[in-house]
Amino acid sequence: SAVISQKPSRDICQRGTSLTIQCQVDSQVTMMFWYRQQPGQSLTLIATANQGSEATYESGFVIDKFPISRPNLTFSTLTVSNMSPEDSSIYLCSADRIDYGYTFGSGTRLTVV
Amino acid sequence: GEDVEQSLFLSVREGDSSVINCTYTDSSSTYLYWYKQEPGAGLQLLTYIFSNMDMKQDQRLTVLLNKKDKHLSLRIADTQTGDSAIYFCAENSGNTPLVFGKGTRLSVIA
Repeated sequence: SAVISQKPSRDICQRGTSLTIQCQVDSQVTMMFWYRQQPGQSLTLIATANQGSEATYESGFVIDKFPISRPNLTFSTLTVSNMSPEDSSIYLCSADRIDYGYTFGSGTRLTVV
Repeated sequence: GEDVEQSLFLSVREGDSSVINCTYTDSSSTYLYWYKQEPGAGLQLLTYIFSNMDMKQDQRLTVLLNKKDKHLSLRIADTQTGDSAIYFCAENSGNTPLVFGKGTRLSVIA
């Protein structure tokens, strides 16, 4: 199956700072997706990242808070900006491979103190 | 909008079969997925089924799809303690993002 490497796996950050999460796919993919999973909850889509264009954000998520980069067809980053304790969650990236379906990175467990 | 529903909890004895059910509302769903999430881990894709299929089997896993009733199930044969996890049902249409259910927490009793 497609391998998606995500880092960091976890981090503890001070409120008001920013964290950038990286996601590397082992092959070229058209779309990549960023999700948030709050404690004990299901996954909520933050945005869809296409190479060469701005990310498309879901309702309730804005670019200033969650800027996304997609410089090529195998890589994307999500930044969580000006963090508050409410941003403590697991953040996951995902990519769609036609032969393998949607696969996920191992997630980044973020704690904001 | 699209919705995916799952029961929240399931408890089975080791060695028995587990059946996790899921219903969805999007009649244009193309693919339906089952993911497993163990504590502190990301999502592991277990299997997926294309909407024109009724059944898919992969070792201990059997997926049944009733497209008329928009009902999907995952059967785990000979359930083991290592199967204890949260199982998420998800669907999408073509290249659209996945829509997830809230997840079913499977507890396996030794």
